Amino acid sequence: RKEVEQDPGPFNVPEGATVAFNCTYSNSASQSFFWYRQDCRKEPKLLMSVYSSGNEDGRFTAQLNRASQYISLLIRDSKLSDSATYLCVVNLPSSNTGKLIFGQGTTLQVKP
Amino acid sequence: DGGITQSPKYLFRKEGQNVTLSCEQNLNHDAMYWYRQDPGQGLRLIYYSQIVNDFQKGDIAEGYSVSREKKESFPLTVTSAQKNPTAFYLCASRERTSPLHFGNGTRLTVT
Repeated sequence: RKEVEQDPGPFNVPEGATVAFNCTYSNSASQSFFWYRQDCRKEPKLLMSVYSSGNEDGRFTAQLNRASQYISLLIRDSKLSDSATYLCVVNLPSSNTGKLIFGQGTTLQVKP
Repeated sequence: DGGITQSPKYLFRKEGQNVTLSCEQNLNHDAMYWYRQDPGQGLRLIYYSQIVNDFQKGDIAEGYSVSREKKESFPLTVTSAQKNPTAFYLCASRERTSPLHFGNGTRLTVT
């Protein structure tokens, strides 16, 4: 089993739709969690950190479910500009302090 | 402006040659990382360093080497032992458990 897994998609949705991505992780002691956005042939950029209580930033909501070992990203009212690949990142526990593992990414295409 | 600078943006080499990718940061971050990305794939960790003069192998360290002689610099050498070196290489840094900051990346093509 991979340490961090995402459904690669692509998710094709119309403008205005709500879309959700999940990311599962294998190590129950994992610490920090993040969502990044990556545009084609560019470096990843931080979208948001994921906090235990869940957090929201405008149209984006991130949640952590430690019991089931997954994090989620919800995008409401999708825009054409949301089309990108979304990467989840997991910080492994203190025995591997500093080691961050990326999922393979989920591709989102928002259509007019 | 604080940030991470990778150079060059594009690099072409002949098979059998070693090549060194530069990564410099002025964010005063302790930890620095090298990732490799292949088309349609996620990022895979090559090496990381949490402090000067110390570094650890990531998941795909074979055929690569690094050094961390200065806090702001973490160069990556792709050796001739790396079987499939053509890829997009990303350098990143961070402070403690904060998110990663990435450089713009270097696209290496080996023919």
